[in-house]
Amino acid sequence: SQKIEQNSEALNIQEGKTATLTCNYTNYSPAYLQWYRQDPGRGPVFLLLIRENEKEKRKERLKVTFDTTLKQSLFHITASQPADSATYLCALDGGSGYALNFGKGTSLLVTP
Amino acid sequence: DTGVSQNPRHKITKRGQNVTFRCDPISEHNRLYWYRQTLGQGPEFLTYFQNEAQLEKSRLLSDRFSAERPKGSFSTLEIQRTEQGDSAMYLCASSRSLQGGGETQYFGPGTRLLVL
Repeated sequence: SQKIEQNSEALNIQEGKTATLTCNYTNYSPAYLQWYRQDPGRGPVFLLLIRENEKEKRKERLKVTFDTTLKQSLFHITASQPADSATYLCALDGGSGYALNFGKGTSLLVTP
Repeated sequence: DTGVSQNPRHKITKRGQNVTFRCDPISEHNRLYWYRQTLGQGPEFLTYFQNEAQLEKSRLLSDRFSAERPKGSFSTLEIQRTEQGDSAMYLCASSRSLQGGGETQYFGPGTRLLVL
């Protein structure tokens, strides 16, 4: 069956450090992978999209890598700030349309 | 604010009652999606519209659920004979179609449903 797995444990890091979140998937052949941020009680907010033919993508302090051989994406936040504290969701296209399949998310807490 | 809006934001109902939620997408977006999210889980896809046509439905969408997008603008999601297991956050998202897919989905704030 298809699975999307993200770090099951919450990630606690100190301000200024780099946070690295992992997304592993099985039984998917995604054309692209997306990362979203979700704050409590709110809808997800799009952060980055990376296509299957791209290895890495950057946006300000964010960096995403995509390894289709390992079936893994890594999401990095450099120089993390307390305002980065949120749940981060990995999402793949299901291959049959435009709906997204989401992982459970990883909760990130950045402490001063 | 011209983002995706959803109404109501919260709904408490008794088991067996019917409920209807509304989603107003970003005006130029032709695609509209409904997802359901329970605590500690990621959003789960329910259904998707391109303009007024409902093109995909998840197996999660039982026959008690129906969605419409009559004029290709706003959408409604109705749940008939609600059950306690329907308690969740119902999220709506919209996007503008791009050739090759991978368009950004913009999410609304969600409607939180509690079935007593």
